[in-house]
Amino acid sequence: KQEVTQIPAALSVPEGENLVLNCSFTDSAIYNLQWFRQDPGKGLTSLLLIQSSQREQTSGRLNASLDKSSGRSTLYIAASQPGDSATYLCAVIPGYEKLTFGTGTRLTIIP
Amino acid sequence: SAVISQKPSRDICQRGTSLTIQCQVDSQVTMMFWYRQQPGQSLTLIATANQGSEATYESGFVIDKFPISRPNLTFSTLTVSNMSPEDSSIYLCSGLTGALEAFFGQGTRLTVV
Repeated sequence: KQEVTQIPAALSVPEGENLVLNCSFTDSAIYNLQWFRQDPGKGLTSLLLIQSSQREQTSGRLNASLDKSSGRSTLYIAASQPGDSATYLCAVIPGYEKLTFGTGTRLTIIP
Repeated sequence: SAVISQKPSRDICQRGTSLTIQCQVDSQVTMMFWYRQQPGQSLTLIATANQGSEATYESGFVIDKFPISRPNLTFSTLTVSNMSPEDSSIYLCSGLTGALEAFFGQGTRLTVV
């Protein structure tokens, strides 16, 4: 059974700092891995999708990496802003079946 | 990519009543899912909505309580039946595209009083 863990569970950093969020999964037989953000009481917004054949994806200040063999993915946020405050979730997509979500990291950017 | 419109965005309902949540996708998706999220918790999968047939429910969720329809590849509904305060939660629909990318609706915040 796939298990997905995110560390840390919560993180507070001053505005302007770079930061890394971690996602670990136990079964490397995945097709894609996707990062989301969720604002309180809202749905999930897709940030980045990494296909299993890729090692990283970039969008603006965000960079996500994937190492299937070690079962790890990281989300790097450069020059953090207060608007980045949210809960960040990674999800493993094994194929045409249900996703497995990580436990989430609640990020607070301190102005 | 896909855009999922979910409605209502929030509702306050009396116990014992039912609420139907709708999700419309702007393009065809291979799979659709319904989730529940309790405050401060991660997502819990309720069921996979199957086109033209009965949904596949996860352990702890039953069709009588959460009937789901998916008449075509772009539309699905979830009904929360005979509601109690314990059903107060955020309900989310999601679609998985043929490229294995997931998208979510905006969520429905349900309060049962």
